[in-house]
Amino acid sequence: AQSVAQPEDQVNVAEGNPLTVKCTYSVSGNPYLFWYVQYPNRGLQFLLKYITGDNLVKGSYGFEAEFNKSQTSFHLKKPSALVSDSALYFCAVRDPQGGSEKLVFGKGTKLTVNP
Amino acid sequence: GAVVSQHPSRVICKSGTSVKIECRSLDFQATTMFWYRQFPKQSLMLMATSNEGSKATYEQGVEKDKFLINHASLTLSTLTVTSAHPEDSSFYICSARRVAGEQYFGPGTRLTVT
Repeated sequence: AQSVAQPEDQVNVAEGNPLTVKCTYSVSGNPYLFWYVQYPNRGLQFLLKYITGDNLVKGSYGFEAEFNKSQTSFHLKKPSALVSDSALYFCAVRDPQGGSEKLVFGKGTKLTVNP
Repeated sequence: GAVVSQHPSRVICKSGTSVKIECRSLDFQATTMFWYRQFPKQSLMLMATSNEGSKATYEQGVEKDKFLINHASLTLSTLTVTSAHPEDSSFYICSARRVAGEQYFGPGTRLTVT
């Protein structure tokens, strides 16, 4: 069964500094990987995904993520953080083997960007 | 494109009553819709997957007779919480997926059972 780990409950960065939100995964086959952001009392907004191809994926709002197969990681990054990036970030994995559409989410990482 | 709406955004109901939550894909046809539950400060837990015109597939531990899911059309799925109890209070989020596409999430429904 697939699983996702987000080792940090909380990440704090200063505005203008680079940010990284970590994610590692476990699947039996080749993973489909996703990052979503959630603002308070709202649903999830799609940021980016990795299906195949270039390991560096660029997404919305200046975010990017790098797929590292050997380390089974898919860390989310942004070169220069904004206060408005403060939110809850979820990594998710889908194992397409067998036609499964199920997304498994990590527990989330709360990002706080300080002015 | 790919907007998903949920109605209502908030609902308060009395214990023992039933409440229906709607999920609509506004600008695309969703072959598959998903229902999630999110507890405070926790991740999303998949409750069930529904395909238009067929019965929903429930995750282990989810009571299908309590959480009734209907996916009557390619743009509408409903979740009915029957005989609600305070422990059913939660944030319910739906998502919709086009063929070979990623999931797009609704804004969520906050259910409070008193």
